[in-house]
Amino acid sequence: NAGVTQTPKFQVLKTGQSMTLQCAQDMNHEYMSWYRQDPGMGLRLIHYSVGAGITDQGEVPNGYNVSRSTTEDFPLRLLSAAPSQTSVYFCASSNIPAGIHSGANVLTFGAGSRLTVL
Amino acid sequence: KQEVTQIPAALSVPEGENLVLNCSFTDSAIYNLQWFRQDPGKGLTSLLLIQSSQREQTSGRLNASLDKSSGRSTLYIAASQPGDSATYLCAVPPISNFGNEKLTFGTGTRLTIIP
Repeated sequence: NAGVTQTPKFQVLKTGQSMTLQCAQDMNHEYMSWYRQDPGMGLRLIHYSVGAGITDQGEVPNGYNVSRSTTEDFPLRLLSAAPSQTSVYFCASSNIPAGIHSGANVLTFGAGSRLTVL
Repeated sequence: KQEVTQIPAALSVPEGENLVLNCSFTDSAIYNLQWFRQDPGKGLTSLLLIQSSQREQTSGRLNASLDKSSGRSTLYIAASQPGDSATYLCAVPPISNFGNEKLTFGTGTRLTIIP
């Protein structure tokens, strides 16, 4: 059981280049999300999805695109990389509870992708 | 907008001591609160989730409490070990949401256990 797999682990880009961070989960989770983690700012939500074909913006969506064509995959696209997008990116997934008393739903994180934009 | 604060940002304690980590949130109308652990260079691992009706949740040497009225949660670690060294983060969902969508995270407390 691989859990949440992120690739690549490390990437260096030049300003203006585009790239895709891959995220795949094998737990049949409906919910998937992308966070970025910056020193002193904690984790901030970029985009999220509650199922195939459904995506929505988080707190810091500008400069990023997502799509959810399958339950398993949730790629994050940087359209034109900027130095401000230098960060560590985390993908996370979980089930969506059926109700408030349906029990705990563990949010499972990938190991992260460290991106540097020069 | 919900704000989550964790103070102190860093904490060092000798091995074997009991310790408490703090988490404060500004809007108390939450259904649950989660605690996570993050090891250097790794992703986050879920430790405990407390439903608003539970007040406390225990897992091994960890005990988390939730006081919605005061906007506080604490994570108690008993008999600390060097392996407990990590950053601990708390997170809450948006008001009236009980799932993991759009969690707001605190900035974390970096814990170092001194052998």
